[in-house]
Amino acid sequence: DAKTTQPNSMESNEEEPVHLPCNHSTISGTDYIHWYRQLPSQGPEYVIHGLTSNVNNRMASLAIAEDRKSSTLILHRATLRDAAVYYCILRANTGGFKTIFGAGTRLFVKA
Amino acid sequence: DSGVTQTPKHLITATGQRVTLRCSPRSGDLSVYWYQQSLDQGLQFLIQYYNGEERAKGNILERFSAQQFPDLHSELNLSSLELGDSALYFCASSSHGTLTTGELFFGEGSRLTVL
Repeated sequence: DAKTTQPNSMESNEEEPVHLPCNHSTISGTDYIHWYRQLPSQGPEYVIHGLTSNVNNRMASLAIAEDRKSSTLILHRATLRDAAVYYCILRANTGGFKTIFGAGTRLFVKA
Repeated sequence: DSGVTQTPKHLITATGQRVTLRCSPRSGDLSVYWYQQSLDQGLQFLIQYYNGEERAKGNILERFSAQQFPDLHSELNLSSLELGDSALYFCASSSHGTLTTGELFFGEGSRLTVL
């Protein structure tokens, strides 16, 4: 799997937007960009994914660069419950691959 | 609720012992993944099974083994346990196919403590 690079940590104020960046310069044409988050003492949960176009769902938005070498997860209004580790990974729609999680970005949200 | 069930939730055992962790994937998911997460560490990929066959292997120790059964549930066997094996073990499942993008659904994890 191609490698992703994320900042170790970020801080946000409650009710402000948060932009979490991810670099994936070695992405291949068949790789989907997935974001997961892990709340304290829980298993990771799926947030959003995309291939080429920007995506929106009830949890977040995903902005994908035109060359697909980077992406940004956008939380429109951070809440204290959004404090978590956010992982950006690349997944190909095939039957077998390692699905490596990096260190992720730990998001701190201040009240 | 992700639909992935892991048992047991907590397990305390002694060094040198052997344990088995069980995972039931979401209904219809053919792939099962195992991850290890030590205290304040990231998720370390261990192994993946797809429809009963091993498909990808990560940094899984030789003392560890896994299998996926015909009913698609999976078991992770950890033997000759050492203190350093204390960790959260997560199972995830996903479906694969031309109409899916393979989102991973994680269970709540099995916390193993080796004393």
